[in-house]
Amino acid sequence: AQTVTQSQPEMSVQEAETVTLSCTYDTSESDYYLFWYKQPPSRQMILVIRQEAYKQQNATENRFSVNFQKAAKSFSLKISDSQLGDAAMYFCAYRSAFSGGGADGLTFGKGTHLIIQP
Amino acid sequence: EAEVAQSPRYKITEKSQAVAFWCDPISGHATLYWYRQILGQGPELLVQFQDESVVDDSQLPKDRFSAERLKGVDSTLKIQPAELGDSAMYLCASSLDPGGGATDTQYFGPGTRLTVL
Repeated sequence: AQTVTQSQPEMSVQEAETVTLSCTYDTSESDYYLFWYKQPPSRQMILVIRQEAYKQQNATENRFSVNFQKAAKSFSLKISDSQLGDAAMYFCAYRSAFSGGGADGLTFGKGTHLIIQP
Repeated sequence: EAEVAQSPRYKITEKSQAVAFWCDPISGHATLYWYRQILGQGPELLVQFQDESVVDDSQLPKDRFSAERLKGVDSTLKIQPAELGDSAMYLCASSLDPGGGATDTQYFGPGTRLTVL
């Protein structure tokens, strides 16, 4: 079974600064997908960014980018120019690319609580 | 923008009672998921439907939990009887189609927060 580990329960950053959230995972599979989801207080979880394991190029979405190190099984999220609206729980998630019978549920880490200091 | 709907948003019940949660996925989404999120943890998959069929219920405690998606659209998750340890957020998600690519993004609803007394 796959596991996802987020070792930072909480991170704090000054507004307009850059912050990096860490994620490591354990899998014996060669092809898979990795995701970062954001869960604001009392609001639904939304997808921030995704990475296909077969792609060497790191994914970027505006101020959000990832550092995907397949050999190290590491998938960190960098948020540039942090804004107050970025304050939320951030979850790293894994999905197998080859699931039996179409099963493709996500395996989540425990999350990192990101605080933005004004 | 279309969203996943869930109700109720909050539910308080006493242990040994029955509770039910409802989810309406984004229109046209064939795949529906129920996750349980215990406070301070990440969500864990309970059950996945493809249309009206169960694809994965390996983590569903079947002695007390049941889920159905009779017409392949909306879904109900039931707990009977509820136990103290069932207190959690129950999240529903849907995706257009599994199998990779942009269409497999899972969209989450706001969740139902269950408190069992």
